[in-house]
Amino acid sequence: EIVLTQSPGTLSLSPGERATLSCRASQSVSSGYLGWYQQKPGQAPRLLIYGASSRATGIPDRFSGSGSGTDFTLTISRLEPEDFAVYYCQQYINSPLTFGQGTKLEIK
Amino acid sequence: QVQLQESGPGLVKPSQTLSLTCTVSGDSVNSGSYYWTWIRQPAGKGLEWIGRIYTSGSTDYNPSLKSRVTISLDTSKDQFSLKLSSVTAADTAVYYCTRRAPWGAFDYWGQGTLVTVSS
Repeated sequence: EIVLTQSPGTLSLSPGERATLSCRASQSVSSGYLGWYQQKPGQAPRLLIYGASSRATGIPDRFSGSGSGTDFTLTISRLEPEDFAVYYCQQYINSPLTFGQGTKLEIK
Repeated sequence: QVQLQESGPGLVKPSQTLSLTCTVSGDSVNSGSYYWTWIRQPAGKGLEWIGRIYTSGSTDYNPSLKSRVTISLDTSKDQFSLKLSSVTAADTAVYYCTRRAPWGAFDYWGQGTLVTVSS
């Protein structure tokens, strides 16, 4: 089973700032089979990024993904008030599919 | 617009079987190369992949739950279902049904349904 470790656990920033979220895998996630999701309280997760760096339909271009192998990053270039939420990475190269434990992005 | 909607009892007694159904609209569970998937999330915790069924009917389950899980497909109703047997309080969670696209990630999610295991 691939274990995904996200850091930091909580990130406190202000609107307009840049956010950098990390996801490290216990083994290589080849071909970038990694996605990022945003979840707000009481809502289902929403797909932001797939294939490590491709934005899903309707996702603003302030969201970007990068990385390969075992290290992946989600960057939000300029935080909007609606971006404060929990973010999860997820690998879909190996079964069982697994998620990171999440990074909570909170308003400073 | 693809939509998924979970339905089923919100309360299940310990040792009984949890049964949920996901109804798909705007798409057919029999079309394309999709994996129809169940994911759960205990309150305040992270996401756990339960398992999936392919349009062909083949299944794959999380080893941690495999002995208790069955996922099935009803193409005539565009539904897929989850059965989880011998439940305990640890199975209390919000259960989501999702569609996994051919390129791998989960692109559509149901709103989720809370299932509580309690006597």
